[in-house]
Amino acid sequence: DQQVKQNSPSLSVQEGRISILNCDYTNSMFDYFLWYKKYPAEGPTFLISISSIKDKNEDGRFTVFLNKSAKHLSLHIVPSQPGDSAVYFCAASWEYGGSQGNLIFGKGTKLSVKP
Amino acid sequence: GAVVSQHPSWVICKSGTSVKIECRSLDFQATTMFWYRQFPKQSLMLMATSNEGSKATYEQGVEKDKFLINHASLTLSTLTVTSAHPEDSSFYICSATLGALQYFGAGTRLSVL
Repeated sequence: DQQVKQNSPSLSVQEGRISILNCDYTNSMFDYFLWYKKYPAEGPTFLISISSIKDKNEDGRFTVFLNKSAKHLSLHIVPSQPGDSAVYFCAASWEYGGSQGNLIFGKGTKLSVKP
Repeated sequence: GAVVSQHPSWVICKSGTSVKIECRSLDFQATTMFWYRQFPKQSLMLMATSNEGSKATYEQGVEKDKFLINHASLTLSTLTVTSAHPEDSSFYICSATLGALQYFGAGTRLSVL
């Protein structure tokens, strides 16, 4: 059973507009959430993260929103640029034994930003 | 930022041979490293958790005798695919933890002929 779900396998957005990537999770033990960007044949690159004690974290054009009651988070990219075209993975983890556990990844959403 | 180096980036080998993949944290010490595998158009699948100085913890369904993991130091973990077969062809990625974040290597494309 998937604990982290990205239900949209792909998303197409016009340059300059907002990209919204969604992620849902089922495990209430998750307390840390991350977004990674991945190009083909490369390792994921960390984008932005959010702790469960917050509901929003912003870094430049990237903002992550967390709705704990709905077990839902989203990544907003504003304005979208062609270079943002990549696969975006949502990941979650929880703390145990004083350290953060391994990441559980969603299946990814392929974002295409058209000029 | 933290850098994780993974080597080689691409390897082709004959069926039945063994392949070693190295994962190094270049500017930080990582007590825990993870090994992932990615099939085409699929998500990253955790294979094992590697802790420095102890045996790796393998995920269900991952053969520990086939995928040997050694974490001999705080900056190096190796994954050896033993007696590789064509079905082992995949993209293998390592990561190293620094605080709450994981930093990923660039990945290794393994093609077994």
